[in-house]
Amino acid sequence: NAGVTQTPKFQVLKTGQSMTLQCAQDMNHNSMYWYRQDPGMGLRLIYYSASEGTTDKGEVPNGYNVSRLNKREFSLRLESAAPSQTSVYFCASSFDRTSGNTIYFGEGSWLTVV
Amino acid sequence: AQSVTQLDSQVPVFEEAPVELRCNYSSSVSVYLFWYVQYPNQGLQLLLKYLSGSTLVKGINGFEAEFNKSQTSFHLRKPSVHISDTAEYFCAVSASGNTGKLIFGQGTTLQVKP
Repeated sequence: NAGVTQTPKFQVLKTGQSMTLQCAQDMNHNSMYWYRQDPGMGLRLIYYSASEGTTDKGEVPNGYNVSRLNKREFSLRLESAAPSQTSVYFCASSFDRTSGNTIYFGEGSWLTVV
Repeated sequence: AQSVTQLDSQVPVFEEAPVELRCNYSSSVSVYLFWYVQYPNQGLQLLLKYLSGSTLVKGINGFEAEFNKSQTSFHLRKPSVHISDTAEYFCAVSASGNTGKLIFGQGTTLQVKP
């Protein structure tokens, strides 16, 4: 079972470059999320999509954009990367936005901005 | 708004000893509580969750947690740890309703020594 798949797993960017993190889930989930993980800060929500066709900002949306391409795919774009965006990024999904549903995570994408 | 505090950033323990990882939360509304585990270089995996009912929740790998509403705590316990339990553990909360979003604590690194 693939679950939540993210690409790329590792990426090094120069300041000012752009890139897109891709995410796909095969669990027929309605809701999808992007989190970033930084040492000592846990995971913080960047953006989420409660259902196909909708997206909303999370705690730390500045510098990012998202696209819910279809029910399976949810991409995260950095338009002009900054060193502060060096982090580990996790895509996740859940059946729907009902609180209490288990959220399933991908294996992470390590991004370094130099 | 909800918040989560994990009281220990690192917990060293010897193999076969008991362990408790502490988590406190704050919220003005009813919440659901979760513990996730992250093994090195992997995504997060659900250990257990509390939605309602019995305040003692059992999860995978022999872990359990107790919801204490009066103390706003959700501490994770295991009576006898193994080397393979070495990982980072995250406590998380979501408000009841249809938000679907998780708020994470800072994480606790469990280091099991032989």
